[in-house]
Amino acid sequence: AQTVTQSQPEMSVQEAETVTLSCTYDTSESDYYLFWYKQPPSRQMILVIRQEAYKQQNATENRFSVNFQKAAKSFSLKISDSQLGDAAMYFCAYRFDYGGSQGNLIFGKGTKLSVKP
Amino acid sequence: NAGVTQTPKFQVLKTGQSMTLQCAQDMNHEYMSWYRQDPGMGLRLIHYSVGAGITDQGEVPNGYNVSRSTTEDFPLRLLSAAPSQTSVYFCASTTSSPDNSPLHFGNGTRLTVT
Repeated sequence: AQTVTQSQPEMSVQEAETVTLSCTYDTSESDYYLFWYKQPPSRQMILVIRQEAYKQQNATENRFSVNFQKAAKSFSLKISDSQLGDAAMYFCAYRFDYGGSQGNLIFGKGTKLSVKP
Repeated sequence: NAGVTQTPKFQVLKTGQSMTLQCAQDMNHEYMSWYRQDPGMGLRLIHYSVGAGITDQGEVPNGYNVSRSTTEDFPLRLLSAAPSQTSVYFCASTTSSPDNSPLHFGNGTRLTVT
C-alpha cells in the first residue's frame, strides 16, 4: 500500500528566510502525481504545487519549489522569502491513477509551519 | 464561479442521530470524493465517485453512505452518528483532463457528535 510520511510535525521560520518541508512516500508504481496543499486557519485546502513523476524537472511556483528525488521517493517543499501569510498546515499528497480513481489522494499527516516576524 | 460548495459549515449531533452533509460542484467534474480530517491524521478518504451512478469505498467508509444521482451533487449520509465521527469533513472534485488536475476542495464541515 502506498504511504506518505511527513516527519516534521512542526517547523518554524523567520520572515524572509527559507524553509524546507520534508515528504517521503512509498510506492511500487512508476507513474504518479505528487502535490503540496496548504491549509491556513480558515480550514480551506489550497493547492501550492504539483509534480508529475514522469517529469525530471522540479516544479516551481513563484516562491515555492520542490526537490523531487524519484529514486529516493522524496518530495520536499522549499519556501523562499517566507511571509507571514505562509503560516499554515502543509500536507504532502500522493496520487496514483487506477480505474478512474484519479482523485484518490493519500495524504501525509501534515507539517505545521509558523513564521516569526 | 462557486466551485465546490459544502453545507452546513458546522453541525452538532447527538449519538444515534442521522444527517446528510451536502456537496455540490459546478465545474462539471466527473470525480467527487469525501475526506475526513482528524488531528494528527491528515485527510483520509471515505467514499468517492467517478461519475453519476458510480460510487466506491475509500479508506474509512464504515458508518457512511453515499449516492451520486447527478454529476453535480454527492451527499454524504451518517445513518447513526457516533462520537468517533466527530471530525472535519471535506468534499472534493476533479476532472480526468488534463491528467494532472488537482483536487478542488470545499470549505469543510465541522461535525461534533456528543
